[in-house]
Amino acid sequence: DTAVSQTPKYLVTQMGNDKSIKCEQNLGHDTMYWYKQDSKKFLKIMFSYNNKELIINETVPNRFSPKSPDKAHLNLHINSLELGDSAVYFCASSQGQGATSSPLHFGNGTRLTVT
Amino acid sequence: QKEVEQDPGPLSVPEGAIVSLNCTYSNSAFQYFMWYRQYSRKGPELLMYTYSSGNKEDGRFTAQVDKSSKYISLFIRDSQPSDSATYLCATPSEGGSEKLVFGKGTKLTVNP
Repeated sequence: DTAVSQTPKYLVTQMGNDKSIKCEQNLGHDTMYWYKQDSKKFLKIMFSYNNKELIINETVPNRFSPKSPDKAHLNLHINSLELGDSAVYFCASSQGQGATSSPLHFGNGTRLTVT
Repeated sequence: QKEVEQDPGPLSVPEGAIVSLNCTYSNSAFQYFMWYRQYSRKGPELLMYTYSSGNKEDGRFTAQVDKSSKYISLFIRDSQPSDSATYLCATPSEGGSEKLVFGKGTKLTVNP
């Protein structure tokens, strides 16, 4: 199936650990994103990459480091996890570079719980 | 003031009701408005996309933009239990069209 797929679906870990979330899209899109949805369901952009180049880097702690090995993959590595990092992380992709040029296609999220 | 404000609800209606979901936005320069639907434990999916003012209809769904009052609405006619989801309005940010900012979402439950 064509889709945006994220792994793992659930991630439970302790404070201070380092973890990674992987994302792959087979839609042939040029731009990929990471969004964070907090407990109040507020969805906020973190990063975007266009053809492996970083385009958007919101005010996110530098413990979060995205990596795009190719335009079909965008991974998120988080160092020294904190309780406040608990959220659902969504990967998304779009055909163009702008949010208006084509709709975002979201994955089904990675539910991160930090204990 | 947040760029996009949305009443989080929750909203509970009987099947067949007309549903009205609303957002306000801050920047009069915003031109594009979107509605995303998010089912429980799923990612958001684009439902409607409108440009500038006016109405856009797609089946039972109508998106409306009122630029004079900076108000966007989504109407659902003949609501169905399958419409039960969280609805998020979105618009490109003041910072540039490549950034999409979302409202907090309104959780809708349609009861059979």
